[in-house]
Order: sequence, then C-alpha cells, then structure tokens
Amino acid sequence: QLVESGGGLVRPGRSLRLSCTASGFTFDDYAMHWVRQAPGKGLEWVSHISWNSGAIAYADSVKGRFTVSRDNAKNSVYLQMNSLRPEDTAFYYCVKDKIAAAEGRFDYWGQGTLVTVSS
Amino acid sequence: DIVMTQSPDSLAVSLGERASINCKSSQSVLYSSNNKNYLAWYQQKPGQPPKVLIYWASARESGVPARFSGSGSGTDFTLTINSLQAEDVAIYYCQQYYGTPPTFGQGTTLEIK
Repeated sequence: QLVESGGGLVRPGRSLRLSCTASGFTFDDYAMHWVRQAPGKGLEWVSHISWNSGAIAYADSVKGRFTVSRDNAKNSVYLQMNSLRPEDTAFYYCVKDKIAAAEGRFDYWGQGTLVTVSS
Repeated sequence: DIVMTQSPDSLAVSLGERASINCKSSQSVLYSSNNKNYLAWYQQKPGQPPKVLIYWASARESGVPARFSGSGSGTDFTLTINSLQAEDVAIYYCQQYYGTPPTFGQGTTLEIK
C-alpha cells in the first residue's frame, strides 16, 4: 500500500512537501517515482529515486524546483516542491517501480494527493 | 524525449466485441541487446489511479484477465481487449520506459456502445 499526504492549496511561488508512506513490501528493495495528473488530463512523470538514492532524475518541467528523497528506515519517499506554479496543479501519485533501479516500470500506484496552486 | 501517440482518442465498442487501441512511439523502444520492447499499458477507471495491464509490450501482469493482450514491436503497438465487459470502461495509456523520462500516450477513452 502507498499512502500520499501533504497536498493542498498553495499560493504561486510557495512551497509544499509531499510524503508517501509504504507498507506491505520491502521498501528498500524498490525504486520509487512521482507521477502527476492535472485534473481531467493525462499522466506526466515527475521524478524517480532508486532504492539507495543513488539514481535521481527529474522532468525538465520541475528540474531545479522539486527535490525527491527517501528514508528507507521510515518506508517513506518525499517530494519537496518549491517555487510552485499554477501549472503544477495536479494529483500527485507515488508509484512503486518493479525493481530496485529506476527502470520506469510502474508497478503499484498510491491513491494520489491533490496539489492546487492558485492565488 | 520519446513522444507516444495513441489512436483513436476515444472509441465506443459493444459489449462482447473487440476493442483495439494503437500506440506509436517517436523512436524505437526495442532494446536490441535483450530483444525486449520497453512498452507498458495501463488502465485508469474514474476516480482511481492507473493500474498496470501489460509490460514488455505483450506480457500480461499477474491477475489481469486473459481478454487483455498486447502486441507490436519497435514503434507500433496495439492493446486488444477481446469480449468487452462493462467493467472495461476506462481510459487506457501506453507508456515507454526505454528512456528517461518515461513518457505516456495522451490516453484513449473506451466506452460501451
């Protein structure tokens, strides 16, 4: 199970930190991703982090503003989002990879948390 | 980035009939060293997160009904749903994981005729 939290309404330019807590599997055996979906729109990959945080990547649209991290002792992955823009408004899904490296095979998805960026 | 393009954007199929959704990538997602196509299909029902149906273009995920099948290689792929059921109403996405960033098609909405 993957449970996201931390979403909400935020003003443009402000920050928000999303959390995702995992259960039911050995968390540090798998890479994790964040994928977002604007309301009524398609899917956009945001970031990934490998099992040991050795491999991290970001979509160009969030590079330099978002930071992904994980704490294997807490079975959690985080997404620090700074300098938020209205176009960042979306449901943010925490997604488990099939393997430890960030291959991009999305195995299991959380229910998502909604981030709304608006003045 | 690899661009994924699905067709059609939407389709309506009668119960019990076959539905086919196409996906085309802007470059090959076939990795020559292992002869695998890095292509997945997902199903998203209203109000739910996506659920994986197929990896490697044609390998059905455990628990996915046999009426779902994937085919294709290189740049052209198809998801086929045989004997359409009412619970198959959803949006379907293809996704490549050949390169970073992984990218999705725009989605195909499947409805009952």
